[in-house]
Amino acid sequence: NAGVTQTPKFRVLKTGQSMTLLCAQDMNHEYMYWYRQDPGMGLRLIHYSVGEGTTAKGEVPDGYNVSRLKKQNFLLGLESAAPSQTSVYFCASSYPLLPGQGAVSGNTIYFGEGSWLTVV
Amino acid sequence: KQEVTQIPAALSVPEGENLVLNCSFTDSAIYNLQWFRQDPGKGLTSLLLIQSSQREQTSGRLNASLDKSSGRSTLYIAASQPGDSATYLCAVRFMIKAAGNKLTFGGGTRVLVKP
Repeated sequence: NAGVTQTPKFRVLKTGQSMTLLCAQDMNHEYMYWYRQDPGMGLRLIHYSVGEGTTAKGEVPDGYNVSRLKKQNFLLGLESAAPSQTSVYFCASSYPLLPGQGAVSGNTIYFGEGSWLTVV
Repeated sequence: KQEVTQIPAALSVPEGENLVLNCSFTDSAIYNLQWFRQDPGKGLTSLLLIQSSQREQTSGRLNASLDKSSGRSTLYIAASQPGDSATYLCAVRFMIKAAGNKLTFGGGTRVLVKP
């Protein structure tokens, strides 16, 4: 029962390098998300996806790209890493919610354990 | 714009005292509200999920209330223990069309329970 799995867990990058964070979920969820968390702050949404082949921008999308080629995977890419992208990255997934489903059980959102990225 | 606010940002209490953590949100049209715990250097642990139709949810020493009309939720932790020291995050799923049912987070309240 893996849930949401992120790889890698830790990474140090040099400014200008590129890398990809992988998120995999085994719950057949339609929706997937990438958040970042900076010290002393809550999580902010980078990008999200409402289904295979779809992506959309969140609050802080600049400097990131994403892809959802398979339903179970959501990739977050940094093309040219900057020190401002030093952060903890969390992936999440969920079933879609519709109006009137406020009382439906199982509509929670599941998070991975985080990926710590340092850009020097 | 839908926003979530948690005040205070930090809280220190002696062991045994009840903890009261506040969360406010700007739009009453929500699916649900969720409280998370985060230990330093760790991921998120879901504590309680309150559906939009519920007024409160309880789990052990934890009780969370929801008042949609006033845009407030309160997390109560009874008889606090040093092991309750952590950051507590409040997150809301607003009913925003075409937003992927995303969670909007508050900034968190960092709690220290002194022995």
